[in-house]
Amino acid sequence: QQPVQSPQAVILREGEDAVINCSSSKALYSVHWYRQKHGEAPVFLMILLKGGEQKGHDKISASFNEKKQQSSLYLTASQLSYSGTYFCGTEGNQAGTALIFGKGTTLSVSS
Amino acid sequence: NAGVTQTPKFRILKIGQSMTLQCTQDMNHNYMYWYRQDPGMGLKLIYYSVGAGITDKGEVPNGYNVSRSTTEDFPLRLELAAPSQTSVYFCASSYSNGGQYFGPGTRLTVT
Repeated sequence: QQPVQSPQAVILREGEDAVINCSSSKALYSVHWYRQKHGEAPVFLMILLKGGEQKGHDKISASFNEKKQQSSLYLTASQLSYSGTYFCGTEGNQAGTALIFGKGTTLSVSS
Repeated sequence: NAGVTQTPKFRILKIGQSMTLQCTQDMNHNYMYWYRQDPGMGLKLIYYSVGAGITDKGEVPNGYNVSRSTTEDFPLRLELAAPSQTSVYFCASSYSNGGQYFGPGTRLTVT
């Protein structure tokens, strides 16, 4: 089943923070996060495996609450380059099952 | 290291024609995937492969076929093209438990 992302869209000024959420109704093995700029291919940001770990990548980090089947992506002190559509992809309850992507959250950062 | 390459970049097909979208990766990834992305939408998995000789259906496999004779190549075949197959097609590859790396995409129009 397709994960649900919220919000659908976010508008920020440079330096502001944002949180994007991804929820699934099924037990998950992993959650992936990708960013896609207009007219380009999606780019891998990070993967979170079952175990509730939090990962960071510069000013972008994410958490995975295995019990709630939820993941959140945190964008801190946003930059213009953060603009794009963010997708979460969820992997079922065991490794090797295919990802199902959410519909995406569009983030617009202005100066 | 070219990553994931796709050909062609653009193609216009007439209804009923057939074509093959090529995908090659040079990262020695065992997993490969084909997605389609309709305007403003997320990624839908068409087929995927966990290794040479092994393929499996994704969410939207009807009208498509794949083969995986080598680790590097994962072509997608469209038989009897229909307007509903107008989309952007992305190929991706990964290690198991790894993030997916996407090719630049093929924009296909069926008229």
